[in-house]
Amino acid sequence: AQRVTQPEKLLSVFKGAPVELKCNYSYSGSPELFWYVQYSRQRLQLLLRHISRESIKGFTADLNKGETSFHLKKPFAQEEDSAMYYCALSVRIRGQGGSEKLVFGKGMKLTVNP
Amino acid sequence: GAGVSQSPRYKVAKRGQDVALRCDPISGHVSLFWYQQALGQGPEFLTYFQNEAQLDKSGLPSDRFFAERPEGSVSTLKIQRTQQEDSAVYLCASRPRSGRNFNTEAFFGQGTRLTVV
Repeated sequence: AQRVTQPEKLLSVFKGAPVELKCNYSYSGSPELFWYVQYSRQRLQLLLRHISRESIKGFTADLNKGETSFHLKKPFAQEEDSAMYYCALSVRIRGQGGSEKLVFGKGMKLTVNP
Repeated sequence: GAGVSQSPRYKVAKRGQDVALRCDPISGHVSLFWYQQALGQGPEFLTYFQNEAQLDKSGLPSDRFFAERPEGSVSTLKIQRTQQEDSAVYLCASRPRSGRNFNTEAFFGQGTRLTVV
């Protein structure tokens, strides 16, 4: 069965400190992984996807198939990074079209203090 | 509209009452998803539509939950005889097309917070 695990629920750091938000997954197929972010009183939005290999707002995430991990990292956290972060795995849906759904982890709340 | 719109934003229902939650996806988006997010949890998949066809409803927790998208645009999630355990935020998401390409971003609505008392 497909599963996404975010082992820590809370992380609090000071501005300028490095952050790493951990994500592990379980999936028998070829994984496609994402990080979604939800800022206070805003909707859930895509932060980055592994296939793009991009850095967004200073965040990066590398897919490690050997360790089945997709940890999110930022070398110098900013106060505006305070938010809920969700790791998500794309899995194939049964039925026509071969479309997919996202399986989310439980999320982690990042607080960056001044 | 600029994004996925959900209404109402907040709903308080008495136990046993029926509720209907509406989702207006981004115009032209083929795929539409409903998720349930309980307090302190991540979103849990409920059901998926490709245009008007409901291709997967495996996540619906009971037969009290019903979703439709009759014309392939607006969708309604209906919960009959609401129970306290139905209290959650219900999220709707849409994306431009179906297919094995979730690299196409899914856009989420603000959600409807349902409280059953």
